[in-house]
Amino acid sequence: RKEVEQDPGPFNVPEGATVAFNCTYSNSASQSFFWYRQDCRKEPKLLMSVYSSGNEDGRFTAQLNRASQYISLLIRDSKLSDSATYLCVVTTMDSSYKLIFGSGTRLLVRP
Amino acid sequence: DGGITQSPKYLFRKEGQNVTLSCEQNLNHDAMYWYRQDPGQGLRLIYYSQIVNDFQKGDIAEGYSVSREKKESFPLTVTSAQKNPTAFYLCASRLLAGGYNEQFFGPGTRLTVL
Repeated sequence: RKEVEQDPGPFNVPEGATVAFNCTYSNSASQSFFWYRQDCRKEPKLLMSVYSSGNEDGRFTAQLNRASQYISLLIRDSKLSDSATYLCVVTTMDSSYKLIFGSGTRLLVRP
Repeated sequence: DGGITQSPKYLFRKEGQNVTLSCEQNLNHDAMYWYRQDPGQGLRLIYYSQIVNDFQKGDIAEGYSVSREKKESFPLTVTSAQKNPTAFYLCASRLLAGGYNEQFFGPGTRLTVL
């Protein structure tokens, strides 16, 4: 079983749609949680951290359910520029803070 | 400008050759990391270093070597022992002080074995 699992997609949605991505992780001791965005053939960039209480950044909302070991990302009012691959990421418990990546969910927003 | 640079952007290698990928950062970050990404997959950790002259193996270190002689530099050598080296290689760095801090990534090097 992979440590971090995501639906690879692609999710093909019209502009203005709301789309949700889910992610599960296997290590209940995982420390920190993030969503990264990766454009085609580019490096990943941090989109947002995920907190237990849930957090929002503009059109993006992230949720964490530690009991179910489940992370979600909701994108409202999708823009063409949101088209990218979204990577779910968790960190290890130790001080190395190694990032463990999911394979990513691809989003295509069409006009 | 502060940031992480990787060179070259594209690299072609013949089978049996060793190649070295460069990673430099001027962010004064303590920790540096090397990841590999294959098509349709997430990043996998090759090596990481939290301090000069010290480094640890990641999940897929076989066939790779690194050095950390300077805080700013963390070169990765892909040796001929690496059976399937064609991939996208990403270097990252992070400040250690003050709890968790974001890992920043360089633009990557695409290595192709001919």
